[in-house]
Amino acid sequence: TQLLEQSPQFLSIQEGENLTVYCNSSSVFSSLQWYRQEPGEGPVLLVTVVTGGEVKKLKRLTFQFGDARKDSSLHITAAQPGDTGLYLCAGRGSSNTGKLIFGQGTTLQVKP
Amino acid sequence: DTAVSQTPKYLVTQMGNDKSIKCEQNLGHDTMYWYKQDSKKFLKIMFSYNNKELIINETVPNRFSPKSPDKAHLNLHINSLELGDSAVYFCASSQDVWGTGELFFGEGSRLTVL
Repeated sequence: TQLLEQSPQFLSIQEGENLTVYCNSSSVFSSLQWYRQEPGEGPVLLVTVVTGGEVKKLKRLTFQFGDARKDSSLHITAAQPGDTGLYLCAGRGSSNTGKLIFGQGTTLQVKP
Repeated sequence: DTAVSQTPKYLVTQMGNDKSIKCEQNLGHDTMYWYKQDSKKFLKIMFSYNNKELIINETVPNRFSPKSPDKAHLNLHINSLELGDSAVYFCASSQDVWGTGELFFGEGSRLTVL
């Protein structure tokens, strides 16, 4: 069974601070996605990484896929209150079912 | 226009009742999913349909029965509801089962079993 461990589960920081969220597994994933979920809504895709070692940037967010495609990280620079939300990593295996396995999520609160 | 819409948004019911949640997507996608999000926010896949064919059926009690009348609709019927079924149920769709496709989620249906 493929599992994704996210850490930390909860993070409360002040506006302007930097943070990193980790997503780890013992399994190899063909691709990995990061989603953000706000209260009362469904998750929304932020980024997809496919190649081992790949780095993608989305404004103040930097995503990295591990060289072995077993782990990923999300780094936020100068966090803002608008970054508050639930961040979910999700991995896709090599099956042809499209199955996406989600991590437990990281709840981020950025205080003004 | 909402891409993935599910109804109802809220469901409060007694143990033992039967309830259904409906989902429709207007994105022209081939694949649809049901996910369950528990109180700890963990999202777990339940079912997936590709072009009306069931392709993923996780270890879910057979009280849960999905039905896809066409590829734009995927409904979820739950019989004999139990307290542990309380959760938020999300419908999602993707272009197909291949590649690195994005999942588009509905807003969720919060089920509370009393």
